[in-house]
Amino acid sequence: GENVEQHPSTLSVQEGDSAVIKCTYSDSASNYFPWYKQELGKRPQLIIDIRSNVGEKKDQRIAVTLNKTAKHFSLHITETQPEDSAVYFCAASRTAAGNKLTFGGGTRVLVKP
Amino acid sequence: SQTIHQWPATLVQPVGSPLSLECTVEGTSNPNLYWYRQAAGRGLQLLFYSVGIGQISSEVPQNLSASRPQDRQFILSSKKLLLSDSGFYLCAWSFTGDTEAFFGQGTRLTVV
Repeated sequence: GENVEQHPSTLSVQEGDSAVIKCTYSDSASNYFPWYKQELGKRPQLIIDIRSNVGEKKDQRIAVTLNKTAKHFSLHITETQPEDSAVYFCAASRTAAGNKLTFGGGTRVLVKP
Repeated sequence: SQTIHQWPATLVQPVGSPLSLECTVEGTSNPNLYWYRQAAGRGLQLLFYSVGIGQISSEVPQNLSASRPQDRQFILSSKKLLLSDSGFYLCAWSFTGDTEAFFGQGTRLTVV
């Protein structure tokens, strides 16, 4: 089955700096890669996603890049703000497998004011 | 619009007691349904998923079971809880295909 590795597990950045989280996946047939943000005690919520026919996607301060050949994708947060502090999860799935999401282990991001 | 309801929000159960967590989705038909578990400070582990009524796939052998008695209802059960069953349980749904999963608010289960 799919295996998703996520690094780093914790990330501390100064407010205004950029944060980068990287994930690798094992199943070359995976075609959907979402990123979720989870605040303490709350449900994960989608912040951005990318499909395998696209190499990069941007939404304001958040961007995701995908390298299908290397089987890795990354989340980039620019101009970080204290409200960006949360746990971020990457995930991968493929349509033929019932859209089951396999999650990475998560990255705890702390933005210091 | 679609909504997902999951209850209860918190639950404290003794070892050996049964468990039943319920999840319902409104505003859509034939959704894919999922149960995930999140141990403290850890990632999300897929436990069960369902693509239709009565169709359940188990991802990890364990002390739990799932059922889908109606199109938009997904139930997570156990006959006898173990201490290791403690965690944050999340129900989720998605449209068929490679789209995002929408999570319920979660149930924090503590087995004592």
